[in-house]
Amino acid sequence: DQQVKQNSPSLSVQEGRISILNCDYTNSMFDYFLWYKKYPAEGPTFLISISSIKDKNEDGRFTVFLNKSAKHLSLHIVPSQPGDSAVYFCAASAGNQFYFGTGTSLTVIP
Amino acid sequence: EAGVTQSPTHLIKTRGQQATLRCSPISGHTSVYWYQQALGLGLQFLLWYDEGEERNRGNFPPRFSGRQFPNYSSELNVNALELEDSALYLCASSWPWDRADYGYTFGSGTRLTVV
Repeated sequence: DQQVKQNSPSLSVQEGRISILNCDYTNSMFDYFLWYKKYPAEGPTFLISISSIKDKNEDGRFTVFLNKSAKHLSLHIVPSQPGDSAVYFCAASAGNQFYFGTGTSLTVIP
Repeated sequence: EAGVTQSPTHLIKTRGQQATLRCSPISGHTSVYWYQQALGLGLQFLLWYDEGEERNRGNFPPRFSGRQFPNYSSELNVNALELEDSALYLCASSWPWDRADYGYTFGSGTRLTVV
């Protein structure tokens, strides 16, 4: 049972434009959410997080939005850069264990 | 500070053989997690160990097993290998029962190829 879903397997964006990656979850007990970035042949690395007490968290070009009523979070990257091309995973937890989405492969076209 | 280290980087096995993958967590981390990333799929949770005990297990057959040693390093064993076991196996570690703001720290993975 996939508790965290990323319905878009891939996304292509022009350099300089906004990239929006989406994630949906089913467990209303989830109270902490993360985005990870993964390059080929490397492990995922932490990108940005948000607690359920917030609806937005910003870190430079990266902003995560949380809509608890819709059980939906999104990652905005502005402006997108070619180095942002990677697979992005969202993850959610209600304790110590995180549940991961299936990933979205982002390609930023120069 | 050394990160999460996994060995070997690549492993090629024949169908029916056994594979052993190893993971050393970050110093101080007692929880170790194993994930499988098969081609075109996301991170599928395999196993969670903490303080030498299995805390949770994903939806995988019993031929996937592991253990955690007193120094908190961990081993993942896959018996009776099947072609579909070919994947990147990722190990992650974290503090015990204390969710870090950044979640887990992942290793670079072991690429297992079953031929």
